[in-house]
Amino acid sequence: KAGVTQTPRYLIKTRGQQVTLSCSPISGHRSVSWYQQTPGQGLQFLFEYFSETQRNKGNFPGRFSGRQFSNSRSEMNVSTLELGDSALYLCASSLRGLPSSTDTQYFGPGTRLTVL
Amino acid sequence: QKEVEQDPGPLSVPEGAIVSLNCTYSNSAFQYFMWYRQYSRKGPELLMYTYSSGNKEDGRFTAQVDKSSKYISLFIRDSQPSDSATYLCASRHYSSASKIIFGSGTRLSIRP
Repeated sequence: KAGVTQTPRYLIKTRGQQVTLSCSPISGHRSVSWYQQTPGQGLQFLFEYFSETQRNKGNFPGRFSGRQFSNSRSEMNVSTLELGDSALYLCASSLRGLPSSTDTQYFGPGTRLTVL
Repeated sequence: QKEVEQDPGPLSVPEGAIVSLNCTYSNSAFQYFMWYRQYSRKGPELLMYTYSSGNKEDGRFTAQVDKSSKYISLFIRDSQPSDSATYLCASRHYSSASKIIFGSGTRLSIRP
C-alpha cells in the first residue's frame, strides 16, 4: 500500500511569510503527527491529530498550527517565518496512535523548508 | 538536560563487525522504547520497538532496555554497508502515545 506522502518536498520562503505543508497518511490511518528535524535540536514533536482533533502538542510557539480533515489528511501552518524555522518537517501516521507495537508510526519523506 | 541522550558519533566500523549503539534517558515514566533508522534524505523508519525492560531480537538486530539504569542499546550483528545510516533512539511516555522523544541520532558508517 502507498506510504505517507508529503508535499511539497522542498520550499524556500523569506522571513515574515507564512507556509502550509501537507501530509497524506497511509490509507486507514487516523493519527497524524508532525515533527521538526534540525541539526541542532534533532527530531522534535510538534503535535498530533486524531479524528480531526489535536490530541497532543509539543513545546512550540503558537506560530505553528495544524489541522486534520475528515479524510485524515493533515496540514501544518507556520506563520511569520523566522530563520530558525528552517528544518525538515516530517509527518508520521499510525492507525490510532496507541502505545502498541502493532500501532506503528510510519514517517513520510519530509518537507525541507528553507527560510531566507 | 535532554530527556533522551545519544552520542552523535560518527561511528565507523568494518563490514561484518558487531555494532553497539547506546542511549540514556531521564524520565522514569517512559515505558516504550524504539530504534529508528534514517537514510539520507528519507524519513525515519522503525527498526525495533520494546515495551519496558528486556531484550528483543529481529534478525541481525537486538534491542536491549535496562530500566534500572535507564539505558537503551541496539546491537547490529554482521554489519553490512547497507546499514550505513543515522540511528535514532526514542522513548515515549506511557500516557502520551504519540509524543515520541528522540535522541539526537548516531551516524553509522560500515566500511566494505
